[in-house]
Amino acid sequence: QQQVKQSPQSLIVQKGGISIINCAYENTAFDYFPWYQQFPGKGPALLIAIRPDVSEKKEGRFTISFNKSAKQFSLHIMDSQPGDSATYFCAAAPNYGGSQGNLIFGKGTKLSVKP
Amino acid sequence: GAVVSQHPSRVICKSGTSVKIECRSLDFQATTMFWYRQFPKQSLMLMATSNEGSKATYEQGVEKDKFLINHASLTLSTLTVTSAHPEDSSFYICSARGSGGQQFFGPGTRLTVL
Repeated sequence: QQQVKQSPQSLIVQKGGISIINCAYENTAFDYFPWYQQFPGKGPALLIAIRPDVSEKKEGRFTISFNKSAKQFSLHIMDSQPGDSATYFCAAAPNYGGSQGNLIFGKGTKLSVKP
Repeated sequence: GAVVSQHPSRVICKSGTSVKIECRSLDFQATTMFWYRQFPKQSLMLMATSNEGSKATYEQGVEKDKFLINHASLTLSTLTVTSAHPEDSSFYICSARGSGGQQFFGPGTRLTVL
C-alpha cells in the first residue's frame, strides 16, 4: 500500500514531441505528489508538484495531470528537448504540511530525447 | 529554491576505514534531514530520517551502528559510514525539509570503497 508504481521504465521521444510518464498509488493518505528530475551523478531536483485538490498543474512545458478517483498522476513534457534527457521520479507523501510522512519514490523513468 | 550542499562530492577509501559525509542547508533551517542511498539505475532508498537534536530513525534493514547519523544543528547533518566495505559503495544523497514542508535534495556523494 506504500508503493508508488511508475511507468514506463524508459522512454525515447523525438525532439519536439510529448513525453508522458505515469504513476499510480494505493495509499489514500497521500496528499502531495512531486516529480523530480535527476541528471547522472547529480541529486534529484524538484520539477513540479501537485496537491489532490486540483486535477492539473502547469509550469512552462511541464504539466501534472492528477486523477484522484483512479489514484493516478502523470507528467507531461511538451515540446521535449534533448536537454530534458534525464531520469524522472514521481513520489508521494502523506499529511503534507502537518506531521508529514516521508516521500515514497517510484522506480524512475529514463527519458531520452533524440534530436 | 533552497540550496542543500554535500561534501565531499566523491570519496574513495580503503576497506575498513570510516567516511564522513556532510549535508548542509545553506539558506534555510532544516527541521528534518533525510539520508538516501541510490544504486546505479535504481530509485532512491531512504536510509534514515533525523530531526535536529534527536536520534535518527532508521529504515528497516539499515544498520544504525554502521551508518551513524548526527544532526547537531538546524543546518547540518552528517552521515558516517563506519568500517566501510566494497558493498557500501553507492551514491549517497541527503535532503532537507524546512518549515514549509518542501524537501530539497543535495547533489549527492559518490562513495567508492576499494
